[in-house]
Amino acid sequence: GQQVMQIPQYQHVQEGEDFTTYCNSSTTLSNIQWYKQRPGGHPVFLIQLVKSGEVKKQKRLTFQFGEAKKNSSLHITATQTTDVGTYFCAGTASGTYKYIFGTGTRLKVLA
Amino acid sequence: DVKVTQSSRYLVKRTGEKVFLECVQDMDHENMFWYRQDPGLGLRLIYFSYDVKMKEKGDIPEGYSVSREKKERFSLILESASTNQTSMYLCASSLSSLAGSSGFFGPGTRLTVL
Repeated sequence: GQQVMQIPQYQHVQEGEDFTTYCNSSTTLSNIQWYKQRPGGHPVFLIQLVKSGEVKKQKRLTFQFGEAKKNSSLHITATQTTDVGTYFCAGTASGTYKYIFGTGTRLKVLA
Repeated sequence: DVKVTQSSRYLVKRTGEKVFLECVQDMDHENMFWYRQDPGLGLRLIYFSYDVKMKEKGDIPEGYSVSREKKERFSLILESASTNQTSMYLCASSLSSLAGSSGFFGPGTRLTVL
């Protein structure tokens, strides 16, 4: 079945350092989405990428969709304590409706 | 704002009991999903539905069934709860689109099976 792997599983950074999480799919995706889940909360939608090679920015967050539409990354510049949480990617395999989530990267930011 | 609500935040049941988890969305979304979330395993898709009375198995449907009699409501049923079904259950909904659309999640139900 379709698998979406995400690395790293955990990341601890000092406040102000950069952070990147990577998402890799075993199959081509029609789109990829990124979610953030705060401790004790539920996943909240951040962004969706659809086009091959697409790059989108939200303030300090940069999202990229690979040329082959099988991988994606989320980069946070100069992390803040408010960035703490688990970041999930979710892909939709081409021709299907269902989202398959990556295993998530739990980010801890040390002040 | 899209609202996805789940019937309970916390639930404690005994092994062998029948358990109903209800999810309601108010944005006329076609797609609805049930996931379970476990430490180290992320979110795993149990079942999803892309229309009323339509359902499809996700990656881990064993031990679960679902019901979608109305567009806004998607129920997850544990016919005979077991301890390995102790988990956080998350419901989500989205507009129907093969190109994808953002998923909106409910607050989750933490189920403990004793």
